[in-house]
Amino acid sequence: SQKIEQNSEALNIQEGKTATLTCNYTNYSPAYLQWYRQDPGRGPVFLLLIRENEKEKRKERLKVTFDTTLKQSLFHITASQPADSATYLCASHWDSSYKLIFGSGTRLLVRP
Amino acid sequence: EAQVTQNPRYLITVTGKKLTVTCSQNMNHEYMSWYRQDPGLGLRQIYYSMNVEVTDKGDVPEGYKVSRKEKRNFPLILESPSPNQTSLYFCASSSGQGAAKNIQYFGAGTRLSVL
Repeated sequence: SQKIEQNSEALNIQEGKTATLTCNYTNYSPAYLQWYRQDPGRGPVFLLLIRENEKEKRKERLKVTFDTTLKQSLFHITASQPADSATYLCASHWDSSYKLIFGSGTRLLVRP
Repeated sequence: EAQVTQNPRYLITVTGKKLTVTCSQNMNHEYMSWYRQDPGLGLRQIYYSMNVEVTDKGDVPEGYKVSRKEKRNFPLILESPSPNQTSLYFCASSSGQGAAKNIQYFGAGTRLSVL
């Protein structure tokens, strides 16, 4: 079955470092990958979308890559801040479908 | 302000007592969807709707009903709730147009406990 997996262990890093989160998918080839941020008790908020024919997408301190050979997306936050502490979700979908498959999320903790 | 509004935010009920969670969006979005979020399982799609009177099942539709009589509203109905439906529920909408058609705008969530 189609699966999308994120590291369930929290990522704990020092302020100012780059945080790198991983999203791996198996048994399918999505056309798009999305990344969301979720704070406790709130709904996810969209951050970035990347298409399969794009290697990299950037937005301010955020960068997403999409490697169709490795079946993986990496999400980077440079110069991380304590305010970046949250759970980050990846989601995939095909061009013609409304069906989204979400990963279970990785919690990021940025220490001051 | 563009938003997706869910009500109620918190709900405690008993097994078998029918309930409805309302969802409304003010962005004129074509698509709407319901998800449930459980620890370790992530967000799973329950039902989605591509337009008025057009709905389809997601990954976990059993025990749920939806309707889309108006573009802005997409209520989730639990006809006979059971304890395994205790979860955090999110409504979401997306434009359905162009490259950003599937970018989800989520409501604040409804935490449901079925005793």
